[in-house]
Amino acid sequence: QLQLQESGPGLVKPSETLSLTCTVSGGSISSSSYYWGWIRQPPGKGLEWIGSIYYSGSTYYNPSLKSRVTISVDTSKNQFSLKLSSVTAADTAVYYCATQRRYCSGGSCYRPNWFDPWGQGTLVTVSS
Amino acid sequence: SSELTQDPAVSVALGQTVRITCQGDSLRSYYASWYQQKPGQAPVLVIYGKNNRPSGIPDRFSGSSSGNTASLTITGAQAEDEADYYCNSRDSSGNLVVFGGGTKLTVL
Repeated sequence: QLQLQESGPGLVKPSETLSLTCTVSGGSISSSSYYWGWIRQPPGKGLEWIGSIYYSGSTYYNPSLKSRVTISVDTSKNQFSLKLSSVTAADTAVYYCATQRRYCSGGSCYRPNWFDPWGQGTLVTVSS
Repeated sequence: SSELTQDPAVSVALGQTVRITCQGDSLRSYYASWYQQKPGQAPVLVIYGKNNRPSGIPDRFSGSSSGNTASLTITGAQAEDEADYYCNSRDSSGNLVVFGGGTKLTVL
């Protein structure tokens, strides 16, 4: 059973780069069965999809964040990472990593819109 | 702003049935998924695809869709169902993932 765990600094200064890592256990990050995603939630607000990556390196980003976001995979460590540059206070949020399990139907395979499971989340505060 | 619209808050009497809705043009083409989030916890998937429940999710949770509206129905709401509920699906292009703004469910 897949389990995900986020890690990284809880405090980042404005204009700097936020860097988080998600460690995957119970499965291989190189598996063709999964996409790996990041979602965030500002305090007291709703969920926002940041982006997703496939083991091949294909990435999908939220257009509103695309210019500042990089998601990558480290197969040697069974991890994937998020980098968000030029952060401001508006980037303060709980950041979650999560999985999208590829599904196949009618001879074709798809990236689903749903995420399961999720990591427990990590709060990142942007402040000087 | 989200391409999926949810009512901010809904309430239901204990043991009664409640429907939480999610509206968006993309729902004419794509199914919505639904998540339950309790305070201080990560979201948990409760419905995905046409009307599928992950292992461990009670069968009082069900999903449906009509036109541009997807619905999560809880039949016989329990006190432990009090939580925030989020829908998610694709955007109009089909390439991107979007979330609704969330609905706070209160069980009276």
